[in-house]
Amino acid sequence: DGGITQSPKYLFRKEGQNVTLSCEQNLNHDAMYWYRQDPGQGLRLIYYSQIVNDFQKGDIAEGYSVSREKKESFPLTVTSAQKNPTAFYLCASSIRTAYGYTFGSGTRLTVV
Amino acid sequence: AQSVTQLGSHVSVSEGALVLLRCNYSSSVPPYLFWYVQYPNQGLQLLLKYTSAATLVKGINGFEAEFKKSETSFHLTKPSAHMSDAAEYFCAVSDPGGYQKVTFGTGTKLQVIP
Repeated sequence: DGGITQSPKYLFRKEGQNVTLSCEQNLNHDAMYWYRQDPGQGLRLIYYSQIVNDFQKGDIAEGYSVSREKKESFPLTVTSAQKNPTAFYLCASSIRTAYGYTFGSGTRLTVV
Repeated sequence: AQSVTQLGSHVSVSEGALVLLRCNYSSSVPPYLFWYVQYPNQGLQLLLKYTSAATLVKGINGFEAEFKKSETSFHLTKPSAHMSDAAEYFCAVSDPGGYQKVTFGTGTKLQVIP
């Protein structure tokens, strides 16, 4: 079955470390997105990509970086510059906006 | 810029009662509108969408929503709540077109009381 796979499901980061969250899709979707979810704040857009080797900053890109070397993959790195990284991170993809998004099952990142 | 407001962060209904989750949008152009559902520790799943066709949209699991331009609303309803409907629901809006940024509301948690 086609879908989006996020890994790991749970991730623990020490202060000052960079960590990378994986997002892979086999839906042949052009566009991919990373959102951050905090309780009571809904989803906030971190980065998005509409085509391989191109991506744009979302509303809260500071402290994060991404790459899009393959159509299927859109990894997110949470850098040490992100001062409050504890959150639930969701990856999504779409053919076009009108069709809606397909979401992965998320990665819960905790700073220890 | 577009935005959505979901009225009520928590809603409780009895099993078998009407479910009504409210969403109002703000957009400078005719928008696309979406409702998603999220179960605990999972991703979001698309329930239904409005993309300028019929104003009454039917989705999965018996949910439907009506686009009302005059009221800038896109409320989600279901005639009879089921225990399995307990989840968090998100309204979302975007500009029309191929690839657009989607803005999500802050969510409404639905509790179903047996």
